[in-house]
This record gives sequence, structure tokens and C-alpha cells, in this order.
Amino acid sequence: GAVVSQHPSWVICKSGTSVKIECRSLDFQATTMFWYRQFPKQSLMLMATSNEGSKATYEQGVEKDKFLINHASLTLSTLTVTSAHPEDSSFYICSAISSSGGGNQPQHFGDGTRLSIL
Amino acid sequence: GQQVMQIPQYQHVQEGEDFTTYCNSSTTLSNIQWYKQRPGGHPVFLIQLVKSGEVKKQKRLTFQFGEAKKNSSLHITATQTTDVGTYFCAGRAGGFKTIFGAGTRLFVKA
Repeated sequence: GAVVSQHPSWVICKSGTSVKIECRSLDFQATTMFWYRQFPKQSLMLMATSNEGSKATYEQGVEKDKFLINHASLTLSTLTVTSAHPEDSSFYICSAISSSGGGNQPQHFGDGTRLSIL
Repeated sequence: GQQVMQIPQYQHVQEGEDFTTYCNSSTTLSNIQWYKQRPGGHPVFLIQLVKSGEVKKQKRLTFQFGEAKKNSSLHITATQTTDVGTYFCAGRAGGFKTIFGAGTRLFVKA
């Protein structure tokens, strides 16, 4: 089945540090990847849609300069949380959709990254 | 903008009892997907419904898509402790963008 690898699985760092999270589709090509943020016991909040070879589409209220997204290949998207602060602490999850099959393809999720900013 | 409401927020059941979660969209959907997330884990795709009035079954799970393609439900018959987790519906109104419901957290008491 479709596998999405997300790395790292958890990060603890000091305030002001920039953190990069990688999302890879291991056995399929993904033109489109999504980045979500999930607070404890809450739903997934879509942050941005990452499109291979073009700029990401950010949801309203998400700072583009704060959350940098790069989708340089069909199997890799990265999310960089720049100058992270404690309020950025959260669970970040990526998902990917296979390039084949059109609009009815399901999303395959990575395992998530738990980010804690001290 | 598009909103997807899901109820109930949580439900406690005795093992063997049935369970249903409901999802309602503010706009007509092109498809709706259901995911299950175990505590500490990531969402896992369960099923996708595309057609108006569609009903699909997976063992003890029954999924329905409303005639107007604006609502959906997931029904679990005779719950088991392995059913514990949060069930999310997620709707697409067009394209790939998917909006998740708030999720229903299921607790099953043995």
C-alpha cells in the first residue's frame, strides 16, 4: 500500500530555532501534498497545499513566512517552521495524494511530527 | 468557506453496542472520506464515498453518503475494544482540498 514517511517524529528545541520537517512518499509519486496541524484532541487543521514545482497554497490565517513549504520533487515536500516559538508547539502531519487517478484519490498520512518549543 | 460539522464530539459505549457518527457539510461534496486515528497515531484511510446515496460496508462498519451529497454517516455494529479511536469525516467540494470534521472520539468499555 501507499506509504508516506515523515521525519523527524519528534523535535524538542529552543525558542528561535528553525525546524525542518520532511514528508516523503515512498512508493508512489505525489504531485500534491498537504500539511496539517493538530492540537491535542482536536481535528486536523489544513495549513497549506504543497504542489510539486510551484508555490504552496496557504490557508487563511497561516503565515507564509513562518511556515515555509518546498515541494521540489514528486516524492518530497518539506515544511520549515522558522524562528519557532512555544505557541508553534503542536503535532504536524503531512499527507500525500498519488499523482495518478484524479480527484478521488485518498490521502495517505505520515506518522506526524511532534514539535515542542521550549 | 466550506465547513464540515461532525457529531457527536465523543461517545462512550459498552462493548457490543452500536455506534454512529454523523457528518454534515455546508456545501455539496464531490466525495467524502472517512479516517480513523488511534491515540498517538496518524489518520488512516477507511473508505471513500462518491455517489449520491451510496452505501458501503466493511465488515461491521457501514458508511452512507446522503442523496444531496452533503451529509454522511458511519455506523459500527457491535463495537469491540479495537474500535477505540477518533473517527474523522473529510469532505472535498472539488479539487484535492479536503476539509476535516472535528472528529468523534469513541470509547469502548469491555
